[in-house]
Amino acid sequence: QVQLVESGGALVQPGRSLRLSCVGSGFTFSKYGFHWVRQPPGKGLEWVAVIWFDGSYKYYADSVKGRFTISRDSSKNAIYLQMNSLRVEDTAMYYCARHGYGVWGPGTPVTVSS
Amino acid sequence: DVVMTQSPLFLPATLGQPASISCRSNQSLVYSDGNTHLHWFQQRPGQSPRRLIYKVSNRDSGVPDRISGSGSGTDFTLKISRVEAEDVGVYFCMQATHWPQTFGQGTRVEIK
Repeated sequence: QVQLVESGGALVQPGRSLRLSCVGSGFTFSKYGFHWVRQPPGKGLEWVAVIWFDGSYKYYADSVKGRFTISRDSSKNAIYLQMNSLRVEDTAMYYCARHGYGVWGPGTPVTVSS
Repeated sequence: DVVMTQSPLFLPATLGQPASISCRSNQSLVYSDGNTHLHWFQQRPGQSPRRLIYKVSNRDSGVPDRISGSGSGTDFTLKISRVEAEDVGVYFCMQATHWPQTFGQGTRVEIK
């Protein structure tokens, strides 16, 4: 069936880096763009980044611009979120979602704390 | 950024009775192609969001027809005609017309 599965979340110290992965299956991965959306504990949803189906266009929320990088490897049916210079306020569940938001992964938790 | 404002933020609902959530944007959500990219999501406790309604009023597969979306421009509504126990959760509206895409604060629906 159509699914997305995220991985890579962890407890990290402020200023460190982390790379999240999202692997898709059950559909033609290369036809779709993907988003990363995050949700701090007990709070609402924040859109983080998008990558076009062919990787030609990427766009970021101001809160992560210059620190986070979205990328994809369609040969592996995967998208990534490289997160550098992490801050306490980046603590959240991170979800990947297929373009249109009809398909979401279960999320991977990131905690930034000293 | 487009601000999405939901009301109420907490909705104590009665089983079998209707319930309604409002979502307003501070800019028109009509895109240049004529479509309005306003979606509704349900998030049950411990789960990831699930899209219920896309482009204002289109119900996703598996969503019961007692759930409906309506509205235009800057003013949108999600309606549940008869609340059931499975409707408990947090509901978010989201605009995907303008960058960055933005969500409403969420409306928590609980059973009275």
